Amino acid sequence: QKEVEQNSGPLSVPEGAIASLNCTYSDRGSQSFFWYRQYSGKSPELIMFIYSNGDKEDGRFTAQLNKASQYVSLLIRDSQPSDSATYLCAVNGGSQGNLIFGKGTKLSVKP
Amino acid sequence: SQTIHQWPATLVQPVGSPLSLECTVEGTSNPNLYWYRQAAGRGLQLLFYSVGIGQISSEVPQNLSASRPQDRQFILSSKKLLLSDSGFYLCAWNLEKKDTQYFGPGTRLTVL
Repeated sequence: QKEVEQNSGPLSVPEGAIASLNCTYSDRGSQSFFWYRQYSGKSPELIMFIYSNGDKEDGRFTAQLNKASQYVSLLIRDSQPSDSATYLCAVNGGSQGNLIFGKGTKLSVKP
Repeated sequence: SQTIHQWPATLVQPVGSPLSLECTVEGTSNPNLYWYRQAAGRGLQLLFYSVGIGQISSEVPQNLSASRPQDRQFILSSKKLLLSDSGFYLCAWNLEKKDTQYFGPGTRLTVL
């Protein structure tokens, strides 16, 4: 069974700090990796995707991928209260190549 | 640009009643379509996916079924709802299975 693991949290950081969200996956053949943000009561929205080892930056967000360690992370710099949400990690895998989602990490940014 | 719609937005149904949820995608052709359920405090559970008209794959055996009567229309149904069917139902689409999935606004179903 292909799996994507995330700490459920909650992860609490003060406003202006760096939030670090982590994800591990079991399928070594995975090729694409995604981070979604889900506000309470809303549907998930894509924040970033990453395909290659290393870092990918987009504004305050940086995704990091290490395929050898089967690890992907999301850093949020200068965290804002509006970043408070559940962050879902998704990885392609499984017998059909569909995306497999982790259960999410709940982030709380305190003013 | 592509848009995905779901309706209804919220639904309260008694146990044993039927269910029909609809999802439509605009602005693209031949999308892969997905139905997920998210129960309170739990992760996304993939229920069904479809790579084309009339082609449905089921991920979890249950009292739900799905149909794809048109290229950009995906329907989730049940003949008799259970209490355990309560949850947030999400439809999603992509063009390649390994690529980004884009989610609709969701339907919140409460079975009483």
